[in-house]
Amino acid sequence: DAGVIQSPRHEVTEMGQEVTLRCKPISGHNSLFWYRQTMMRGLELLIYFNNNVPIDDSGMPEDRFSAKMPNASFSTLKIQPSEPRDSAVYFCASSHTLQGVKLFFGSGTQLSVL
Amino acid sequence: DQQVKQNSPSLSVQEGRISILNCDYTNSMFDYFLWYKKYPAEGPTFLISISSIKDKNEDGRFTVFLNKSAKHLSLHIVPSQPGDSAVYFCAASAIKAAGNKLTFGGGTRVLVKP
Repeated sequence: DAGVIQSPRHEVTEMGQEVTLRCKPISGHNSLFWYRQTMMRGLELLIYFNNNVPIDDSGMPEDRFSAKMPNASFSTLKIQPSEPRDSAVYFCASSHTLQGVKLFFGSGTQLSVL
Repeated sequence: DQQVKQNSPSLSVQEGRISILNCDYTNSMFDYFLWYKKYPAEGPTFLISISSIKDKNEDGRFTVFLNKSAKHLSLHIVPSQPGDSAVYFCAASAIKAAGNKLTFGGGTRVLVKP
């Protein structure tokens, strides 16, 4: 079992550029979550999907952020345009609704916006 | 408005002694609670959980206690080992009301000294 796979591991970009983070959930899982970790706010939920459908995007900070899940094995989180305050670690997690609320996390993407 | 709070950002303990991590929550709809452990440059990994119908759950060196009336839970690690040095996140879910999304606290960094 490969676990949740995120890419890239590190991303350094300049303010105003578009950033795309990618996630492959664990095969068979039907829920996918995007979290952001910062010193000030800890781990905050940005958006989550059930069966590829966005269920709750209330945590998405601004319209600059968007997420898609075109199929059960792939999701993207896009920031356009990026700003220095978006610098954080972004985690993707997956689970199966029939197996409770235990989430399995990827290793994260460390984003630095200069 | 943080619904899950970990008021101690850090904790230092001697190897072999007990580590006690605390977590408070405000949402009375929360009915399932988890602790996650996170090493640097890795994603959080599940450690132990407890349902609101219980007040204690034990797994080896790890025990979680839940006090529903006080909206408080704690994680006890005994005996503490150097490999336990990590950041610990408390998380809560309102399964019946909000599905399987998790709300996390800000984390507590534990350092176990040999």
